[in-house]
Amino acid sequence: AQSVTQPDIHITVSEGASLELRCNYSYGATPYLFWYVQSPGQGLQLLLKYFSGDTLVQGIKGFEAEFKRSQSSFNLRKPSVHWSDAAEYFCAVGVVGGSQGNLIFGKGTKLSVKP
Amino acid sequence: KAGVTQTPRYLIKTRGQQVTLSCSPISGHRSVSWYQQTPGQGLQFLFEYFSETQRNKGNFPGRFSGRQFSNSRSEMNVSTLELGDSALYLCASSSRDARRGDTQYFGPGTRLTVL
Repeated sequence: AQSVTQPDIHITVSEGASLELRCNYSYGATPYLFWYVQSPGQGLQLLLKYFSGDTLVQGIKGFEAEFKRSQSSFNLRKPSVHWSDAAEYFCAVGVVGGSQGNLIFGKGTKLSVKP
Repeated sequence: KAGVTQTPRYLIKTRGQQVTLSCSPISGHRSVSWYQQTPGQGLQFLFEYFSETQRNKGNFPGRFSGRQFSNSRSEMNVSTLELGDSALYLCASSSRDARRGDTQYFGPGTRLTVL
């Protein structure tokens, strides 16, 4: 069955430090992958997406993600975290529609930023 | 271009009542999907509409229903509200029929509290 795993429920990093959020997926075909960010009480904002081609994808707000087929991973990275990056981050895989819909989400990783 | 809008942003209802939530997609988008987000279950797919037709439905009871109008605006209805229906309800739109490769853009959500 298709699934997305975000192993880290909560991560705390210092402002200016680098960040890597992990995402592993299970999907039988070539995946379409997404990262979304959610600030408290808000909707989901698309950070970046991978459909095909270059496995290193650039997104908004200085984020990037690397697709590694051999590891079934799509980890999100940022070289220097800002206090405004504190939010919850969701990885998702696009699937052919069904009872799970067209996007299967991980449970999310909450990012806290220390001053 | 305006983003996805959802109304109302906040709702308080009591058990047994019914509620209707509204979603206006990005101009030109014909697909609308609905999700329920709770702390315990995360993001769960409710249903997807494309050109006024329901294409997919998640594993929710029949108390949850929806529809889409000719202008692509969508409404979802929950009848006989239960305490467990308290959640953030998110609407997402995409330009095509939200097949797995199409990007979904989310609205800010409607926070429903059932007392």
